[in-house]
Amino acid sequence: QSALTQPASVSGSPGQSITISCTGTSSDVGGYNYVSWYQQHPGKAPKLIIYAVSNRPSGVSNRFSGSKSGNTASLTISGLQAEDETDYYCSSYTSSSTWVFGGGTKLSVL
Amino acid sequence: QVQLVESGGGVVQPGRSLRLSCAASGFIFGTYGMHWVRQAPGKGLEWVAVISKDGSNQWYADSVKGRFTVSRDNSKNTLFLQMNRLRPEDAAVYYCARDRLDTALEYWGQGVLVTVSS
Repeated sequence: QSALTQPASVSGSPGQSITISCTGTSSDVGGYNYVSWYQQHPGKAPKLIIYAVSNRPSGVSNRFSGSKSGNTASLTISGLQAEDETDYYCSSYTSSSTWVFGGGTKLSVL
Repeated sequence: QVQLVESGGGVVQPGRSLRLSCAASGFIFGTYGMHWVRQAPGKGLEWVAVISKDGSNQWYADSVKGRFTVSRDNSKNTLFLQMNRLRPEDAAVYYCARDRLDTALEYWGQGVLVTVSS
């Protein structure tokens, strides 16, 4: 049950787009379309922003989008806003019927 | 609206036990799988366990297997996490979360802090 690999940090300017990668294996990310992404502000509970690779829950901005290619999933945030500056985590279902998270990525909006 | 409220956290000595609860409301509890996820201070999220909607199946992270037990009481809309033989590395904020049709963790509680220290 090794954690999925995310970059520790990414940054972008307001209005720009950024992409956060999430790399796993064929036993998790690559084997299932059950990759999800979470946004977590300091001291708060995580919030689901993408499920099943590319689907947005009701109420989540369409500036957030997800995709997957092979063993790597990606979260793209377009039109960066100051409020997007926080931590992001990916997660995947695994072949062991368990779930695994990525190590998290801190997004800075410069 | 969906509400998940954890309780039962606190300070416990290494080797001792603690039982967390998660009270659910705003949805039909018995129709959803439920998860526990933890976050050590300043660290990332770690998935801990999941239980099926009827409680008949449970799966655990290797780090807690054999020490933690997840259970539920659908008649009381409550999820539990029994934590035995606690270690210092189990110290974390523990979140309960509702499953989204096996695709994601859709709704989260506010979390409860567990401190393991002598």
